[in-house]
Amino acid sequence: EAQVTQNPRYLITVTGKKLTVTCSQNMNHEYMSWYRQDPGLGLRQIYYSMNVEATDKGDVPEGYKVSRKEKRNFPLILESPSPNQTSLYFCASSLTRTGIMNTEAFFGQGTRLTVV
Amino acid sequence: KQEVTQIPAALSVPEGENLVLNCSFTDSAIYNLQWFRQDPGKGLTSLLLIQSSQREQTSGRLNASLDKSSGRSTLYIAASQPGDSATYLCAVKADGQNFVFGPGTRLSVLP
Repeated sequence: EAQVTQNPRYLITVTGKKLTVTCSQNMNHEYMSWYRQDPGLGLRQIYYSMNVEATDKGDVPEGYKVSRKEKRNFPLILESPSPNQTSLYFCASSLTRTGIMNTEAFFGQGTRLTVV
Repeated sequence: KQEVTQIPAALSVPEGENLVLNCSFTDSAIYNLQWFRQDPGKGLTSLLLIQSSQREQTSGRLNASLDKSSGRSTLYIAASQPGDSATYLCAVKADGQNFVFGPGTRLSVLP
């Protein structure tokens, strides 16, 4: 089954304690991205990756890091989480081919992070 | 910068009614538009994908239309059911592969 898998689904942590949210897709997609969703602000892109070893900032990258060492995995790293990073996080992936821009996005089930 | 809006923000209808959700975007240079459903606290489920060259897509009781020149899309839900209650999000793919999302329409279908 084609899917994007995030872990953990729920996480409560304390300010300053480094954490990683994993994202894995089994569709051989080149493009992967992270979003956060907050009430009244909708979904905002944090980082994206066009392919292995190619990452770039989205609209709200401050306080986050990502890496793309393998095609299937795109972890989101919070080096020093703060309460304003409490949010619902989504990972997404889509196929990218030269000249083909109109591909569908697939989303993970979300990770609800609370930073106290 | 592309901006996406959705009207209404919330909608409550009795079961069986047909309804229309609206999505508007400011830059017509899009590659596609995708409608998603999100249940409370859950992930996004893709409903329909409309390519920029298409006018509409249908899946079961759902029909999505796209008027790229006017920057509008509508999602039509026929014979609504309580199980349709969710938040509906539209997203456009503009430059690169990045999606820009609307704020969503929260739909409640009352039995």
